[in-house]
Amino acid sequence: KAGVTQTPRYLIKTRGQQVTLSCSPISGHRSVSWYQQTPGQGLQFLFEYFSETQRNKGNFPGRFSGRQFSNSRSEMNVSTLELGDSALYLCASRGDNSGANVLTFGAGSRLTVL
Amino acid sequence: GESVGLHLPTLSVQEGDNSIINCAYSNSASDYFIWYKQESGKGPQFIIDIRSNMDKRQGQRVTVLLNKTVKHLSLQIAATQPGDSAVYFCAERVTYNFNKFYFGSGTKLNVKP
Repeated sequence: KAGVTQTPRYLIKTRGQQVTLSCSPISGHRSVSWYQQTPGQGLQFLFEYFSETQRNKGNFPGRFSGRQFSNSRSEMNVSTLELGDSALYLCASRGDNSGANVLTFGAGSRLTVL
Repeated sequence: GESVGLHLPTLSVQEGDNSIINCAYSNSASDYFIWYKQESGKGPQFIIDIRSNMDKRQGQRVTVLLNKTVKHLSLQIAATQPGDSAVYFCAERVTYNFNKFYFGSGTKLNVKP
């Protein structure tokens, strides 16, 4: 069973540009969450999508957005990039809400903003 | 708001010793907890989980203890190996907000040979 796949793994952008990151969840998982991880910080929650609907959102500015497609694949977009957006962006998927459903992470997309 | 915190940001242990990583959580509505390991350049990997109706769970070389009275979670690693060097996160799942997960800031474990 394939894990969570994130693309691209590494990318470099300049301030003011925008970026789109992609995440393919584990087959059958309908929930996809996005996190930002910076050096010395924990995992900062961005948002969660379930069946194409955003059902949770963290405290990030509107420059950060996301969406989910009917096949559960998800994308997140960051517009007007700032230096502080340099981070590892992690995607995680899980099954339904019941029971002990583990949040499974991808390897992340490392974004560097110059 | 909810907070999941780690007492020690860095822990250094000798190879072969046992390691204990601690985590405090604040939400009584949390029903499920997970420990993750994150190696450099990789995403967090599941280590072990525990439901709130349990106080101990054992895996291979790892044990998680849950004390709901003081809202404390710990991860014990037996016979720590160099490959255990990583950052360890605890996560709690709350029973609202669609069972949202909250993460601690992480503890870095250094295993000295």
